[in-house]
Amino acid sequence: ELQLVESGGGLVQPGRSLRLSCAASGFTFGDYAMHWVRQAPGKGLEWVSGISWNSANIGYADSVKGRFTISRDNAKNFMYLQMNSLRAEDTALYYCAKGRVAHQPPNYMDVWGKGTTVTVSS
Amino acid sequence: QSALTQPPSASGSPGQSVTISCTGTSSDVGGYKYVSWYQHHPGKAPKLMIYEVSTRPSGVPDRFSGSKSGNTASLTVSGLQAEDEADYYCSSYAGSSKEVFGGGTKLTVL
Repeated sequence: ELQLVESGGGLVQPGRSLRLSCAASGFTFGDYAMHWVRQAPGKGLEWVSGISWNSANIGYADSVKGRFTISRDNAKNFMYLQMNSLRAEDTALYYCAKGRVAHQPPNYMDVWGKGTTVTVSS
Repeated sequence: QSALTQPPSASGSPGQSVTISCTGTSSDVGGYKYVSWYQHHPGKAPKLMIYEVSTRPSGVPDRFSGSKSGNTASLTVSGLQAEDEADYYCSSYAGSSKEVFGGGTKLTVL
């Protein structure tokens, strides 16, 4: 069974850092692009970042560029999101999602995790 | 990088058809064939319903169809069923390795 499990969320003060992890199983992780998508309370989905199968192609939403860093370890079947200089507006449920193909674009996301909650508050 | 524009809500009775629009610009929807649609039931993981404007992944009923004209993409749900009630999001490639979602449309089955 294809599965994505996010972890690392929690309560953090503004300006601090947090690293999210996404553990993949049930498919050949290194064959697909991966993405982070978030949903703030009461708001819609927002694409955060994506990484191609070999990490050669990486993209960020303007709202997080320069503060967040996406990475992956194909040997361990993990993807990460390092979040620095966190702001209140980063508070959201963060989803890990599998790309439908290896490269990006296109950024079609066909398997999603259940998400991990990040709350930025003093 | 602005969100794509979707109507906040849409509705229809069982058996009817409803179309949800998604308006962007020539820098996203109008510039690429990489438009997708997601169904999101609150509390669950989003589900890919349409990709590459009009292609349905395996397992998605053919009641769901997609199209695009210029800077506007559309999702049509035919033969509405109670389980179709959900939030629907369009998404498009926006260049420079970026993706942008629409604001979402809450579909109500009356």
